[in-house]
Amino acid sequence: QSVLTQPPSASGTPGQRVTISCSGSSSNIGSNTVNWYRQLPGTAPKLLIYSNNQRPSGVPDRFSGSKSGTSASLAISGLQSEDEADYYCAAWDDSRGVFGGGTKLTVL
Amino acid sequence: VQLAESGGGLVQPGGSLRLSCAASGFRFSSYWMTWVRQAPGKGLEWVANIKHDGSEKYYVDSVKGRFTISRDNAKNLLYLQMNSLRVEDTAVYFCANLGHSGGWYPDSWGQGTLVTVSS
Repeated sequence: QSVLTQPPSASGTPGQRVTISCSGSSSNIGSNTVNWYRQLPGTAPKLLIYSNNQRPSGVPDRFSGSKSGTSASLAISGLQSEDEADYYCAAWDDSRGVFGGGTKLTVL
Repeated sequence: VQLAESGGGLVQPGGSLRLSCAASGFRFSSYWMTWVRQAPGKGLEWVANIKHDGSEKYYVDSVKGRFTISRDNAKNLLYLQMNSLRVEDTAVYFCANLGHSGGWYPDSWGQGTLVTVSS
């Protein structure tokens, strides 16, 4: 059971906008920033969003993050086939790092 | 930024293994570093953090007393000494540097090294 809760799956069609939620508590999301990662099969995770809504250089502005209270969301607009991957949220929690269980995004 | 893990392999329960992570392309001695693992078919799990000078270390409860994170800033190397290994420690182990722009976030990741604990 992961400390951060994500839906196990999500889907969308090309061009559509999809959102992935991440629910936590006052000790993690409620008091620290949230990060998002994308992982393709057999590869290392890649940072998509840090500090709730900041994109590293090279990440397209189709990806955006937000946070409210003890929840956060990742939005992907203009969905593309290459967006099909696993997505993880993460945050610091007191004295440990915590991840969500991951959301498998399918592009129909 | 390049991070390259090594040292994984097959080990029996109760055995030991030391993972290494070679860093290049950034000022290693200025960055906190972290280990994150992923069991086969499962999600990501944070394992440990170490401060840039090695003076602070944090561990997930399940590895406390068994794993030790350390670093050699002169050689740009990060380590994870794993003792008393259990079947449930089987995973791909990734090293990553922690971002500098506020908050905790593993930034650049290595490709990972597989540790299999089995008799």
